[in-house]
Amino acid sequence: EAGVTQSPTHLIKTRGQQATLRCSPISGHTSVYWYQQALGLGLQFLLWYDEGEERNRGNFPPRFSGRQFPNYSSELNVNALELEDSALYLCASQLVWSGTTNEQFFGPGTRLTVL
Amino acid sequence: QQPVQSPQAVILREGEDAVINCSSSKALYSVHWYRQKHGEAPVFLMILLKGGEQKGHEKISASFNEKKQQSSLYLTASQLSYSGTYFCGTEMGGAQKLVFGQGTRLTINP
Repeated sequence: EAGVTQSPTHLIKTRGQQATLRCSPISGHTSVYWYQQALGLGLQFLLWYDEGEERNRGNFPPRFSGRQFPNYSSELNVNALELEDSALYLCASQLVWSGTTNEQFFGPGTRLTVL
Repeated sequence: QQPVQSPQAVILREGEDAVINCSSSKALYSVHWYRQKHGEAPVFLMILLKGGEQKGHEKISASFNEKKQQSSLYLTASQLSYSGTYFCGTEMGGAQKLVFGQGTRLTINP
């Protein structure tokens, strides 16, 4: 069974540009979570999509947005890039939030560098 | 509110024990533990749902004290493969999202 995949692996942008990151969840998983992992700050929750809808978002400005497609893959868009947006962006998929089996499966991440 | 993990880093020799703590200022519904090896994605270790519940995974176990709003991860007779950064993820009732701590870096030396 294929795991969570993310593309691209690395992305280099300049300040003010837009970045688009993509994630394909494990087959059958309907929930996709996005996290930002900046150096020394752990995993910061960004967005949660389930069944095509945004269900929750973390404490990030509106220039962080995304969507989930009918095949449950997801896209994270970051507009007006700032230097502090440089981080590893991780996507995780989950089968369903059941209360007992809430394991999230993480992808390898996209390293975004803003110059 | 991000949970606080302690210690931030710990260095052990193979075979020694370690305890990693995760504390929250808010009431918790569940606590999840993940391990991330350098350059790899985080991997799920275990979830604790009830206060006082203890779970085990190989020589890694954890407890969840609902009253104290904290969880502890116990690594006994540590192996080289245990090296990595450990994250606790906390869920506050109904949110269906995890808020992760800043991580505890564990280094196991031969």
